[in-house]
Amino acid sequence: DGGITQSPKYLFRKEGQNVTLSCEQNLNHDAMYWYRQDPGQGLRLIYYSQIVNDFQKGDIAEGYSVSREKKESFPLTVTSAQKNPTAFYLCASSPESRNEQFFGPGTRLTVL
Amino acid sequence: KQEVTQIPAALSVPEGENLVLNCSFTDSAIYNLQWFRQDPGKGLTSLLLIQSSQREQTSGRLNASLDKSSGRSTLYIAASQPGDSATYLCAVDTGNQFYFGTGTSLTVIP
Repeated sequence: DGGITQSPKYLFRKEGQNVTLSCEQNLNHDAMYWYRQDPGQGLRLIYYSQIVNDFQKGDIAEGYSVSREKKESFPLTVTSAQKNPTAFYLCASSPESRNEQFFGPGTRLTVL
Repeated sequence: KQEVTQIPAALSVPEGENLVLNCSFTDSAIYNLQWFRQDPGKGLTSLLLIQSSQREQTSGRLNASLDKSSGRSTLYIAASQPGDSATYLCAVDTGNQFYFGTGTSLTVIP
């Protein structure tokens, strides 16, 4: 089955720790995206990548980092510099930019 | 910066009723508009994608329209069912990124 997988589903982190969220797709899509969703707010773009080994900052990139070493994978690291990391994180992909987006099931991160 | 608004924030209807969800955006320079459904605690499911050159798209009981010049889109759901209960989000693609509305939470009462 083709699709986007995110792991883990739930993640708990202590303050001061870095954590990495996984996003994998087997749709052969070129573009991948990371969004953050908070209650009462729309999705906000953290980072996106249109091609391997290249990525751009979104509106709220501070405190986050990404890599795109393989077409299928786009992991997101939430660093200790992110002041309010508790949120629902969603990964998406599309065949190319300016095209339909498909989403993974999400990871809920809670900072203790 | 593009701003996307969805009104109402919440809507309750009896089963079988036809309904319309609204989405407005401030900058008409878009490449496409996409409607999604989100169930609680889940990811987004794509419902319909309308390219900027199109006026509407249909899929089953869903029909989405786009009026780019006025910055508006509507999602029409015919003969609503309890299984349609979810949050519906619209997103506009400016070419660099998608901008999302905050969604309309729909409850269909049996």
